Amino acid sequence: KNEVEQSPQNLTAQEGEFITINCSYSVGISALHWLQQHPGGGIVSLFMLSSGKKKHGRLIATINIQEKHSSLHITASHPRDSAVYICAVRPHTGNQFYFGTGTSLTVIP
Amino acid sequence: NAGVMQNPRHLVRRRGQEARLRCSPMKGHSHVYWYRQLPEEGLKFMVYLQKENIIDESGMPKERFSAEFPKEGPSILRIQQVVRGDSAAYFCASSLQSAGAVNNEQFFGPGTRLTVL
Repeated sequence: KNEVEQSPQNLTAQEGEFITINCSYSVGISALHWLQQHPGGGIVSLFMLSSGKKKHGRLIATINIQEKHSSLHITASHPRDSAVYICAVRPHTGNQFYFGTGTSLTVIP
Repeated sequence: NAGVMQNPRHLVRRRGQEARLRCSPMKGHSHVYWYRQLPEEGLKFMVYLQKENIIDESGMPKERFSAEFPKEGPSILRIQQVVRGDSAAYFCASSLQSAGAVNNEQFFGPGTRLTVL
């Protein structure tokens, strides 16, 4: 059983659509990261959050600590948003992050 | 301010050889983390180091794998006698604060893709 579950696993959208990627986790956490990974590429940290909501450009991340759930939203999606989006959580104890398996997003022009 | 650097970006080894992966953290960061991403799987924690110390190696296989972060120079992840199952992408991350700090944010390197023939 994975501590972090993401949905959907794969997502195809038309350019301009509003996109939501979900992350549920089973442990008590002190922080949650949303990461972006391009094919064959490195990993970029998009957000780190422990409560509430954060916005950066067209990206919005929310977290509900009580429900152990976070969402990543992309408004006005663009083909360059095509990537794998990964949710990672840091439990209250221990040094490591637990990662979801990622959501592969393809935005079609 | 350069980001996290990893080299080589791609590494090919034959079974039984040694693989050495290097990671230079961001300037001013003294905390380094190694992660492994197997094909079609998510990232998995391997080891957490602070300068000259291994803090947590609970995710690292007990045999053939070792890691160090010397006082001078990059962090090294060493895999001895590689096997095909070691083929994966290995990512390094660094942080300014310790892993347990509230505002610990990790910055990732581009990864080293290891292929074992």
